[in-house]
Amino acid sequence: ETGVTQSPTHLIKTRGQQVTLRCSSQSGHNTVSWYQQALGQGPQFIFQYYREEENGRGNFPPRFSGLQFPNYSSELNVNALELDDSALYLCASSLGGQEGHEQYFGPGTRLTVT
Amino acid sequence: AQSVSQHNHHVILSEAASLELGCNYSYGGTVNLFWYVQYPGQHLQLLLKYFSGDPLVKGIKGFEAEFIKSKFSFNLRKPSVQWSDTAEYFCAVSLYNQGGKLIFGQGTELSVKP
Repeated sequence: ETGVTQSPTHLIKTRGQQVTLRCSSQSGHNTVSWYQQALGQGPQFIFQYYREEENGRGNFPPRFSGLQFPNYSSELNVNALELDDSALYLCASSLGGQEGHEQYFGPGTRLTVT
Repeated sequence: AQSVSQHNHHVILSEAASLELGCNYSYGGTVNLFWYVQYPGQHLQLLLKYFSGDPLVKGIKGFEAEFIKSKFSFNLRKPSVQWSDTAEYFCAVSLYNQGGKLIFGQGTELSVKP
């Protein structure tokens, strides 16, 4: 069973640039959730995709957007990067979009905005 | 807004000491409850979960947690900690029928001295 994978591992961008982060869900999972974890904080929910449709969104501006593909992998796109976007971005996959099924987390992408 | 509060930011224990980490949430409806652990350099892993039934749940590595609905609490316990339990611990809540979005506490860093 393949776990959740994310790419890249680390990324350095300049303020104002755009970034795309990628996530491959665990085999058999159809739901992907994205979280932002700032240093010293717990993860904050960005949004969730269930069967290629957005299925809930946290308190993040529209410049945070996402996609889910037919194979259930997912992308997180952030436009007009700001310094405060520097964080660890976590992807989690699960089975089912309505119930609180346990989520399996990937290793994260560390984004640094300078 | 719903929130999760973890009582201690940093806990330092000696090996064989007992552990209890507090977690309280603010939401009056049905919830699913989780404890995740993040070992140094590793990704978030599920320790244990509560969906329904017996409020005392057992997880991996000798951890257990008790759901007390009247107190909106889900405290994590372990009778005797080991040096290998050194990690960051996150309590998380998902709200029933709201898509599985996880609301995390800010985390408790546990340091176990050998």
